[in-house]
Amino acid sequence: IAGITQAPTSQILAAGRRMTLRCTQDMRHNAMYWYRQDLGLGLRLIHYSNTAGTTGKGEVPDGYSVSRANTDDFPLTLASAVPSQTSVYFCASSPGGQPYGYTFGSGTRLTVV
Amino acid sequence: QKEVEQNSGPLSVPEGAIASLNCTYSDRGSQSFFWYRQYSGKSPELIMSIYSNGDKEDGRFTAQLNKASQYVSLLIRDSQPSDSATYLCAGENSNSGYALNFGKGTSLLVTP
Repeated sequence: IAGITQAPTSQILAAGRRMTLRCTQDMRHNAMYWYRQDLGLGLRLIHYSNTAGTTGKGEVPDGYSVSRANTDDFPLTLASAVPSQTSVYFCASSPGGQPYGYTFGSGTRLTVV
Repeated sequence: QKEVEQNSGPLSVPEGAIASLNCTYSDRGSQSFFWYRQYSGKSPELIMSIYSNGDKEDGRFTAQLNKASQYVSLLIRDSQPSDSATYLCAGENSNSGYALNFGKGTSLLVTP
């Protein structure tokens, strides 16, 4: 089934640990995005990639890094997790070329303790 | 910070009525706007896109865009209890490629 797969679905992580959230799409979309969603704050853009090999910073990039080695994968890494990174993380993709609506993954619920 | 603003609600409407959801945006460079529906614990789902001034209809949904007033709205006709969800308005972020700025969402409750 075409779409976006995120893993893990949920995770409890000790503060200070490194964690990579995985995101893979099979729609050959050029653009991919990472958002975090927090109660009362809505969806906030962390990082984005308009095409393989390029990335950009969003509204809340501190503490996060991304890479885009190929079209399908866009992992998000927390180098040293802190409790304020407790959130629901959504990966999304779009064809690119002009603003299209996104396809979202099912999300990763991360709790940093 | 370029923002998309929505009333958080909850907006309560009786079954069969028209639900009207609104948002405003500050990014004058935005040309494209989207409405997403998000059920509790689920990911957002695209329901409407609109790129030019005026109305766009798709089934029970009508999106309206007024770029001069920087205003976007979504009308849901013949509202059903299954329409109860949070509705997110999103606009193109003119500084971040094709990324979108999202509003915080309006909670809609359709009562039987």
